[in-house]
Amino acid sequence: AQSVTQPDIHITVSEGASLELRCNYSYGATPYLFWYVQSPGQGLQLLLKYFSGDTLVQGIKGFEAEFKRSQSSFNLRKPSVHWSDAAEYFCAVGNLRRQGAQKLVFGQGTRLTINP
Amino acid sequence: DTGVSQDPRHKITKRGQNVTFRCDPISEHNRLYWYRQTLGQGPEFLTYFQNEAQLEKSRLLSDRFSAERPKGSFSTLEIQRTEQGDSAMYLCASSFLQTYNEQFFGPGTRLTVL
Repeated sequence: AQSVTQPDIHITVSEGASLELRCNYSYGATPYLFWYVQSPGQGLQLLLKYFSGDTLVQGIKGFEAEFKRSQSSFNLRKPSVHWSDAAEYFCAVGNLRRQGAQKLVFGQGTRLTINP
Repeated sequence: DTGVSQDPRHKITKRGQNVTFRCDPISEHNRLYWYRQTLGQGPEFLTYFQNEAQLEKSRLLSDRFSAERPKGSFSTLEIQRTEQGDSAMYLCASSFLQTYNEQFFGPGTRLTVL
């Protein structure tokens, strides 16, 4: 069965510093990978997604992620974080169902705190 | 773009009571999903609809849970005889009828069972 592991439950970085959030997946076929962000009390917002092609994908808010098949990883990066980036970040793998619908399997999440 | 909406945003109930949540997807989206998120965890898939047809239910969805999407538009999720373990955030998402579609999530309904 497919699974997603986010090894870091909580990360603290200083404003302006670079960020990397780790994500490892287990999936038998070609994975469809996503990063979502969730602010307190809010739903999830899609940051970026990978289906195929270029393994370095760009997303919103200055985020990017790199798909590495050999490492089963899809790490999220940002060169310089802003205080508004403080939130919970979820990595997810999409499992194609009948008629193309996707059941998303999420990791446990990484809570990001920004120091001023 | 009005986005996915959910009602109510918060619900507090006593154990044993029935509760019903509503989700209004983005209007042109054919697919609708329900997820449950407990504190400190990522969302877990519960069920999904394509138009009015419920095509899959997770084993997490016990027989106390029922979901409907009667006209292929809004959906309801009912929990009967609530238990304290049902306390969670219930998230709804919708997407287009395309294979590699992204899901747009609503703000969720937070359920607290006392």
